[in-house]
Amino acid sequence: GAVVSQHPSWVICKSGTSVKIECRSLDFQATTMFWYRQFPKQSLMLMATSNEGSKATYEQGVEKDKFLINHASLTLSTLTVTSAHPEDSSFYICSATGLLHGYTFGSGTRLTVV
Amino acid sequence: GENVEQHPSTLSVQEGDSAVIKCTYSDSASNYFPWYKQELGKRPQLIIDIRSNVGEKKDQRIAVTLNKTAKHFSLHITETQPEDSAVYFCAASKGGATNKLIFGTGTLLAVQP
Repeated sequence: GAVVSQHPSWVICKSGTSVKIECRSLDFQATTMFWYRQFPKQSLMLMATSNEGSKATYEQGVEKDKFLINHASLTLSTLTVTSAHPEDSSFYICSATGLLHGYTFGSGTRLTVV
Repeated sequence: GENVEQHPSTLSVQEGDSAVIKCTYSDSASNYFPWYKQELGKRPQLIIDIRSNVGEKKDQRIAVTLNKTAKHFSLHITETQPEDSAVYFCAASKGGATNKLIFGTGTLLAVQP
């Protein structure tokens, strides 16, 4: 079946630094990548949608300059959390879709900002 | 935009009993409704889905029903087992299985042995 690899699985960073999260579709072309954030005991909140080769579309309330999304190829999308602060600590998870593939989630990244 | 409400937030049942989780959605254009099971710290796993042209779908102990008129859909788990304990999320999409999903608030299901 379709597989999306997400790295790192967890990361601890200092406040003010940037963190990059990668999602790779291993066996299909991910024409669209969705990025979600999930706080403890809460639902998955859609942050942005990115189509390969295009600028990401951000959901209301999500700062595009803080959460940089790149989807330059059909197999790789990255989310960079810039100038991270403790309130950015969360579980970040991607999901890729392709022409013949529905939602395929990555394994998630637990970000802790100290 | 689309809003998906989910109830109850927590549900405790005895092993062997049935569990029902309900969701309502706001956008009548939504046409795809998946259900996900998520264990702590893991990715959500699709357990069943239904499209708007179908009223009910069943897969072994799991079934989903859809009422388009009322804009609500429900997950039914029969003969629950302790391994069914997890958080369950409903979701809705307007563009089928490849468009953005809006998730419900989640239900923590605890199956007591």
